[in-house]
Amino acid sequence: GAVVSQHPSRVICKSGTSVKIECRSLDFQATTMFWYRQFPKQSLMLMATSNEGSKATYEQGVEKDKFLINHASLTLSTLTVTSAHPEDSSFYICSASPEVAGGYEQYFGPGTRLTVT
Amino acid sequence: GQNIDQPTEMTATEGAIVQINCTYQTSGFNGLFWYQQHAGEAPTFLSYNVLDGLEEKGRFSSFLSRSKGYSYLLLKELQMKDSASYLCAVKDSNYQLIWGAGTKLIIKP
Repeated sequence: GAVVSQHPSRVICKSGTSVKIECRSLDFQATTMFWYRQFPKQSLMLMATSNEGSKATYEQGVEKDKFLINHASLTLSTLTVTSAHPEDSSFYICSASPEVAGGYEQYFGPGTRLTVT
Repeated sequence: GQNIDQPTEMTATEGAIVQINCTYQTSGFNGLFWYQQHAGEAPTFLSYNVLDGLEEKGRFSSFLSRSKGYSYLLLKELQMKDSASYLCAVKDSNYQLIWGAGTKLIIKP
């Protein structure tokens, strides 16, 4: 089956620093990748959708200058949280789809738990 | 606005059957998904319905009524490992996934 990896699985950083999270599709080419954020006991919140080689489309209320997304290849997307603050602490999950606009199914990575101190 | 409703929490007994309901109001419909999410982990795909009716897959079944904006996930022969959150999600007319808040299922021995 389709496998998506994320790295790191957990990261603790100090307030004001930047953190990069990688999302890789291991056995398929991901035309579209999605980045989600999930706070405790809440549902997934879509942050942005990215297609390989083009700029990401951010959801309303998500700061594109704070959450930098790069989808440089068909198997790799990165999310950089710049100048992180404690309120950015959350569970960040990526998903990938082999089809444009997400098609039929999204395959999720295992998630990255970010703690900003 | 777009909305997906599902119960916050349910409790069931090991070996029993439980039905988790989901109602939705979205701009367009291009399929309904059920995902399972264990605490601290990412969601895993369970089922996909785009036509009315029941889809059965082992111990899990999912039902859809598009006219009623309603779906349910049926879990049979419950096992302790089924304790998790179950997320209902609908693809709208733009093929964007709209997520419910999830139903936390607690299985008791």
